[in-house]
Amino acid sequence: QQQVKQSPQSLIVQKGGISIINCAYENTAFDYFPWYQQFPGKGPALLIAIRPDVSEKKEGRFTISFNKSAKQFSLHIMDSQPGDSATYFCAASSGGGGNKLTFGTGTQLKVEL
Amino acid sequence: GAVVSQHPSRVICKSGTSVKIECRSLDFQATTMFWYRQFPKQSLMLMATSNEGSKATYEQGVEKDKFLINHASLTLSTLTVTSAHPEDSSFYICSASARSGANVLTFGAGSRLTVL
Repeated sequence: QQQVKQSPQSLIVQKGGISIINCAYENTAFDYFPWYQQFPGKGPALLIAIRPDVSEKKEGRFTISFNKSAKQFSLHIMDSQPGDSATYFCAASSGGGGNKLTFGTGTQLKVEL
Repeated sequence: GAVVSQHPSRVICKSGTSVKIECRSLDFQATTMFWYRQFPKQSLMLMATSNEGSKATYEQGVEKDKFLINHASLTLSTLTVTSAHPEDSSFYICSASARSGANVLTFGAGSRLTVL
């Protein structure tokens, strides 16, 4: 499987702060870049996704920034809350959002009071 | 919204037995379903792609005789772990792609397999 590299592996943020997670990909055929949130013992849930024709997408407190030339994309969580504490995975696929995903290695986020 | 149900959520079995995990799309028809495996504190690794009415496509390194996948209808795919061993203990997660409509994958809640 083509790699998607994700960093950092873990992240601790104070309540109200900004959480930033970065991903980089290699396969230029990728055309769909989602972010998933996973709580322990649960399946991943789609947070937000972007396609390479836009450089930024915002939904509520979550923003994806996309740099096509650098083959990088990032997730920003504004006003981070303790309830945001979870593992976050970036992913990528080609041929649209319904195709198989290649996942990043995951980032364990902890938001402290 | 699209819902994918997995059953059972947890299963414990003895070494050498076979275990079947079901993945159902509850409110949509799923042309394609994907099976992932996740070890503790690790990422999701794609095991196979399941297309309704045809043989599954397995990723490199996944034993097709060990992990039997059947996708007999547009709403049901099953993963059978045959002759399970302790190293097969893992979290298995399915996802489904709708036949029409939003081109987005929906994930099930996962099935925790423990082989004693």
